[in-house]
Amino acid sequence: EIVLTQSPGTLSLSPGERATLSCRASQSVSSSYLAWYQQKPGQAPRLLIYGASSRATGIPDRFSGSGSGTDFTLTISRLEPEDFAVYYCQQYGSSRGITFGQGTRLEIK
Amino acid sequence: EVQLVESGGGLVQPGGSLRLSCAASGFTFSDHYMDWVRQAPGKGLEWVARTRNKANSYTTEYAASVKGRFTISRDDSKNSLYLQMNTLKTEDTAVYYCVRGYSSSSPSFDYWGQGTLVTVSS
Repeated sequence: EIVLTQSPGTLSLSPGERATLSCRASQSVSSSYLAWYQQKPGQAPRLLIYGASSRATGIPDRFSGSGSGTDFTLTISRLEPEDFAVYYCQQYGSSRGITFGQGTRLEIK
Repeated sequence: EVQLVESGGGLVQPGGSLRLSCAASGFTFSDHYMDWVRQAPGKGLEWVARTRNKANSYTTEYAASVKGRFTISRDDSKNSLYLQMNTLKTEDTAVYYCVRGYSSSSPSFDYWGQGTLVTVSS
């Protein structure tokens, strides 16, 4: 299976700052099948980005995704208070299964 | 409005069985692949199983951790998704989410249910 490693494990920032979250794959992932999710405590995950760079319906444009091959990035241009949560990357194009990264916790500094 | 409502979770002993259900509404269920994803308490997300749509012969896939023990199925006439879980282990304890999968007109994993908790313990 493809292993996704997210970094950092925890990111401490203040509202208004820029957040950069990384997702590295153990082997090449088709950009068409790389997604990012946000999860808040007690809630189901919410799809933010699919196809590495396409925003899901209703997602603010301060969220952007980029990358290809084995290195992908989620950027939040200017943090709002509601953005502090756990973020997961996911690949869903491999014939050997669908996998998630272990998550990055974005906390208020 | 798309809705996915899971049911069937609860407490079960190791070695036991449980059947989860997911009632879907607000979209053409038969067009979509459907998935189950789980999350152990305090842990990350783990994909469990997928069923494709009729156009793709309802083929299924499973995570290695559940293959041979879990069975995913669907009833398009009832807009319902199921997960039959047998030979349950303590490590199967998790919140199980029903997730809308791929279709030709929408991205995969775009809608999630609220989850149902399965606890495997003696």
